[in-house]
Amino acid sequence: KAGVTQTPRYLIKTRGQQVTLSCSPISGHRSVSWYQQTPGQGLQFLFEYFSETQRNKGNFPGRFSGRQFSNSRSEMNVSTLELGDSALYLCASSLDRATTEAFFGQGTRLTVV
Amino acid sequence: AQSVSQHNHHVILSEAASLELGCNYSYGGTVNLFWYVQYPGQHLQLLLKYFSGDPLVKGIKGFEAEFIKSKFSFNLRKPSVQWSDTAEYFCAVNARLGGSNFGNEKLTFGTGTRLTIIP
Repeated sequence: KAGVTQTPRYLIKTRGQQVTLSCSPISGHRSVSWYQQTPGQGLQFLFEYFSETQRNKGNFPGRFSGRQFSNSRSEMNVSTLELGDSALYLCASSLDRATTEAFFGQGTRLTVV
Repeated sequence: AQSVSQHNHHVILSEAASLELGCNYSYGGTVNLFWYVQYPGQHLQLLLKYFSGDPLVKGIKGFEAEFIKSKFSFNLRKPSVQWSDTAEYFCAVNARLGGSNFGNEKLTFGTGTRLTIIP
């Protein structure tokens, strides 16, 4: 079956702009989580959605937001981009809970200039 | 709050050497534990996981990990590494809720260990 698909793969944005990233989970998976990966910090949890509801949230500013649609696809939005937002953003899908195996996409590489 | 420490940031080994990567977590309750691997240019993949039962778990590609509750550790091992094991390895923990295997829907990752295998 198809894996987790993230689009776009690469993005270059300037400071102050906003960006929307997309994640299509594995068919049948209802839980989608987002992570920010940077060389020094590793993977930092952003938020998790289940059945269109945000179920858990990490310690990121309100500029980071997300949503999930009825088909379980999820989007993540970052407003007023800062240089420090440059990172690899990973999406993970799970059948129903992140405690079971999480399947990761290849990520979206965001560069803020 | 739960946290995960991976003290080895970069490990360099020759092929056929034995491997042990350390992982310690900080959480007083019951946890689910995972090791993920990220090969160059590829997505994160699950190597192995521990929910309950035998504390020695076996994963893919000859990897295994041992959960030692008293030490809050979940170290990853492989008796003989190959060049293809060159990758970044991440330990992750999820706090378990109640008496089930369900957790708090948030995986906390360590900062990762970069493993380089010299042919």
